[in-house]
Amino acid sequence: EPEVTQTPSHQVTQMGQEVILRCVPISNHLYFYWYRQILGQKVEFLVSFYNNEISEKSEIFDDQFSVERPDGSNFTLKIRSTKLEDSAMYFCASSPDRIGANVLTFGAGSRLTVL
Amino acid sequence: AQTVTQSQPEMSVQEAETVTLSCTYDTSESDYYLFWYKQPPSRQMILVIRQEAYKQQNATENRFSVNFQKAAKSFSLKISDSQLGDAAMYFCAYIRGSQGNLIFGKGTKLSVKP
Repeated sequence: EPEVTQTPSHQVTQMGQEVILRCVPISNHLYFYWYRQILGQKVEFLVSFYNNEISEKSEIFDDQFSVERPDGSNFTLKIRSTKLEDSAMYFCASSPDRIGANVLTFGAGSRLTVL
Repeated sequence: AQTVTQSQPEMSVQEAETVTLSCTYDTSESDYYLFWYKQPPSRQMILVIRQEAYKQQNATENRFSVNFQKAAKSFSLKISDSQLGDAAMYFCAYIRGSQGNLIFGKGTKLSVKP
């Protein structure tokens, strides 16, 4: 069964450092998403991406965050200067079309620890 | 704004028994979808079941079924014949039909006792 692949599974970084989380969505999917889950809290939407541009973003997704699809297969989330509160599990997801009628498939997540 | 509420932070069930997890939501939309996701200790989000708001019939997937009460804005998950592998966090989620981001509840931690 096709799956969404995320790397790294766990990254530890120092506050102020840049971090790039990588995702390979399912190959025929057109919509891509990043969600975040701070430990013990609910999953929160960060950003959606379609046709090589951001289609929607939450208030969490400030200027410190950016997304990119550099080569037609990878979908990356960059955090420019990490803060302690960025420590969380980051989930990439994809769907063949706008979700609802279509199901969102999540990756296994990338755990980010900011020290 | 749409919200999703799961009022049970933790639930426990005996193996082979049935358990129901509660979820309520608030929306003024008529076109939307509801989901239950399972998150085992591995932290991966796994889709359990999906319900379209326009369908009156409750969705079922093997041992998992929902009780969708549209007027009451209630969407509970019933797990029958509970198994040890069902132990996980369960998240209820909502999406407006035309909008591409899921809104999650805070989750219910389900323990299954042997």
